[in-house]
Amino acid sequence: AQSVSQHNHHVILSEAASLELGCNYSYGGTVNLFWYVQYPGQHLQLLLKYFSGDPLVKGIKGFEAEFIKSKFSFNLRKPSVQWSDTAEYFCASGGGGYQKVTFGTGTKLQVIP
Amino acid sequence: DVKVTQSSRYLVKRTGEKVFLECVQDMDHENMFWYRQDPGLGLRLIYFSYDVKMKEKGDIPEGYSVSREKKERFSLILESASTNQTSMYLCASSQTGPPYEQYFGPGTRLTVT
Repeated sequence: AQSVSQHNHHVILSEAASLELGCNYSYGGTVNLFWYVQYPGQHLQLLLKYFSGDPLVKGIKGFEAEFIKSKFSFNLRKPSVQWSDTAEYFCASGGGGYQKVTFGTGTKLQVIP
Repeated sequence: DVKVTQSSRYLVKRTGEKVFLECVQDMDHENMFWYRQDPGLGLRLIYFSYDVKMKEKGDIPEGYSVSREKKERFSLILESASTNQTSMYLCASSQTGPPYEQYFGPGTRLTVT
């Protein structure tokens, strides 16, 4: 079975600090990778996705992620966080049929003004 | 915009009751999913469906069943609710084909007393 590991459960940053959230996946075949975000009181929405091509993926709100196949990693980055980035972030991987997606346990990001 | 709606935002039921959670999507997606979201555990897949009347068990199907009689509607059924089924339930849909991103509903917070 696939698994997705998110190393940080709770991250606290000051505004303007740089962000990197770790994500490792286990699936060895062709993989689709996603980062979803859940703002307080809102539903999950897609932040960015990797399907093929350029391993550096840019998403909404200045986020980006890099797919490193040799490390089975898909870390999320943002050079300068804002208070409005306070949310829970989920990494997910898919592959192997019927577009099933396996989610990580999530990282809660708190940005202090 | 893709819209996934869920029948209730909040639901309180008693132990032993039969509970129906309804989900409707308006984008003609083939795939539909039911997850439960618990703190520290992320999203866990209960059941998914890749076509009308077709269903497959996810990672935690015990105590749940599903029904998909129409393409746009996917129901989750708790045959006899128990307190350990108190959780946030999320419905999602996706198309068949890349990039396989899932679109989520707002969730139903179910409390079983």
